[in-house]
Amino acid sequence: EVQLVESGGGLVQPGGSLRLSCAASGFTFSSYWMHWVRQVPGKGLVWVSRINSDGSRTNYADSVKGRFTISRDNAKNTLYLQMNSLRVEDTAVYYCARVGIAAAGANWFDPWGQGTLVTVSS
Amino acid sequence: QSVLTQPPSVSGAPGQRVTISCTGSSSNIGAGYDVHWYQQLPGTAPKLLIYENINRPSGVPDRFSGSKSGTSASLAITGLQAADEADYYCQSYDSSLSGAVFGGGTKLTVL
Repeated sequence: EVQLVESGGGLVQPGGSLRLSCAASGFTFSSYWMHWVRQVPGKGLVWVSRINSDGSRTNYADSVKGRFTISRDNAKNTLYLQMNSLRVEDTAVYYCARVGIAAAGANWFDPWGQGTLVTVSS
Repeated sequence: QSVLTQPPSVSGAPGQRVTISCTGSSSNIGAGYDVHWYQQLPGTAPKLLIYENINRPSGVPDRFSGSKSGTSASLAITGLQAADEADYYCQSYDSSLSGAVFGGGTKLTVL
């Protein structure tokens, strides 16, 4: 079964840091682009970042550029999101998602993890 | 606000047909990038409903269908059921942002 399981969320003060992890299983992790998407509770989905299959290419939403870093360890089948200089507005549920197929240009998300809640508050 | 525009809400009676629109621009849908649709039931992660404009993953009923034309796309749901009550999101890729973009989401209410 293809599965993504996020961890690492929690409560952090403004200006603090947190690292999210996404453990992948049931597929050849090293063949797929991976993404992070976030959702403020009660609001819509917002794309955060993506990384290519070997980790050599990354892209970020303007709102997190320079503060967040996406990375992956293909030997451990794990995706990461290092979040620094956190702001109150970063409070959200963070989902990791795999692209649908291991092919260039595939940009739909399937599956998604269950999400991990990050709360930035003093 | 979101890069892709969806109506905040739609509603229909059981058995009826509803459509949800998704409007983009020349840097995303209008540039030829595909549109994908997700269903999010309360308290759960989004689930892929339609990919590459018209394709249904295995297990998705054929009551759900997608279309795309110009800078817009639509999701149609026929034979509405109470279980279809959820939030629906469209998604594409934007060349000027070099990343994925979502619609603001549409809440479907089955009356």
